[in-house]
Amino acid sequence: QQPVQSPQAVILREGEDAVINCSSSKALYSVHWYRQKHGEAPVFLMILLKGGEQKGHEKISASFNEKKQQSSLYLTASQLSYSGTYFCGTERSGGGADGLTFGKGTHLIIQP
Amino acid sequence: DGGITQSPKYLFRKEGQNVTLSCEQNLNHDAMYWYRQDPGQGLRLIYYSQIVNDFQKGDIAEGYSVSREKKESFPLTVTSAQKNPTAFYLCASSIRWRPRDTGELFFGEGSRLTVL
Repeated sequence: QQPVQSPQAVILREGEDAVINCSSSKALYSVHWYRQKHGEAPVFLMILLKGGEQKGHEKISASFNEKKQQSSLYLTASQLSYSGTYFCGTERSGGGADGLTFGKGTHLIIQP
Repeated sequence: DGGITQSPKYLFRKEGQNVTLSCEQNLNHDAMYWYRQDPGQGLRLIYYSQIVNDFQKGDIAEGYSVSREKKESFPLTVTSAQKNPTAFYLCASSIRWRPRDTGELFFGEGSRLTVL
């Protein structure tokens, strides 16, 4: 099943903070986060694994609540370059390395 | 520079025609994936391959076919059996950094297919 992202869209002023949430109806093994700018390919931001291991960019932070089957992406002191659509992705079969199921995305617009 | 190359970037097709989208990577990645992106729908997995000469259906494989004869190449054929083929197609690859984990996905620039 497709993970559910919220909010669907958010508009911020430069310097403000944003939180994007991703929740799943099934047990999560890992969560990926990607950002896609209009007309471009998605770009990897972060992987969060059960047990707390993370792999990703230093300036992006995220949390992974295994019990609640949720993940949140934190964007602090937003910059204009943060604009884009953010997708979370979850393992299709709970840790089978067989690709990701993505949410529908959260559109983030940063205004000067 | 290493990366993933998709071609063509734009493609127009008449109904009833098969088309093949190319995906080549020089990252030495074992796993490759094809995703379809429609407005407001996120990315949906069509096919994936974790090793040469092997591939598996994803969530929306009907009307599509793939091959993986070389590690570097994973072409996708959109057949006439695909009822609604107009979409943005993304190819991705990843390293098998852990047995149970899909690694960081590296995406190509995409191919936009329009059926006339």
